[in-house]
Amino acid sequence: DQQVKQNSPSLSVQEGRISILNCDYTNSMFDYFLWYKKYPAEGPTFLISISSIKDKNEDGRFTVFLNKSAKHLSLHIVPSQPGDSAVYFCAAAAGGTSYGKLTFGQGTILTVHP
Amino acid sequence: EPEVTQTPSHQVTQMGQEVILRCVPISNHLYFYWYRQILGQKVEFLVSFYNNEISEKSEIFDDQFSVERPDGSNFTLKIRSTKLEDSAMYFCASRLAVGTSGPTGELFFGEGSRLTVL
Repeated sequence: DQQVKQNSPSLSVQEGRISILNCDYTNSMFDYFLWYKKYPAEGPTFLISISSIKDKNEDGRFTVFLNKSAKHLSLHIVPSQPGDSAVYFCAAAAGGTSYGKLTFGQGTILTVHP
Repeated sequence: EPEVTQTPSHQVTQMGQEVILRCVPISNHLYFYWYRQILGQKVEFLVSFYNNEISEKSEIFDDQFSVERPDGSNFTLKIRSTKLEDSAMYFCASRLAVGTSGPTGELFFGEGSRLTVL
């Protein structure tokens, strides 16, 4: 099941620079997209979401961009901080009562170096 | 900050044994979920639960699995006869509501229960 794909298993960034995490999806029924952060031995923590009626959503240092025609979304973290080092999961949902049924990507390990 | 709590944090069991994983969702949340993550694999949806019944389940959630909200606060996942391939981290999650025009509120996850089947 590759409906949501994160093709980069890892990303290394210098503190203060931009981190860009990418995600592709194949299911046209997805209309809600989320990014979660996960530390070892913890559950995923919600970061930011975007509905398919938008192409950008911003929350502080985090911005999610959605390109529906390309079925692609990205998470930008500016500026990156060492505390941002974690696994980042992209997730998607298909609407209605299925909004809680998330399809996750494989995750990208982000390492931010001081 | 309110949180989803799960017990036990780690359970080791023999193949064929029954296991119950427990979760206390956030108190005013209405939708409850179980997800799992096998080591090295994606987080996968298992089941959603609303108004005391299953609203959706994945093909993973076969007859060996069941969920229950026995007392209005706990939300449990039972695996009737565990198999080696059930070894995974199991995450409980809850959400406040789902609006008709879109989702309302994010999914809050617990810290997970690691199940090891020997």
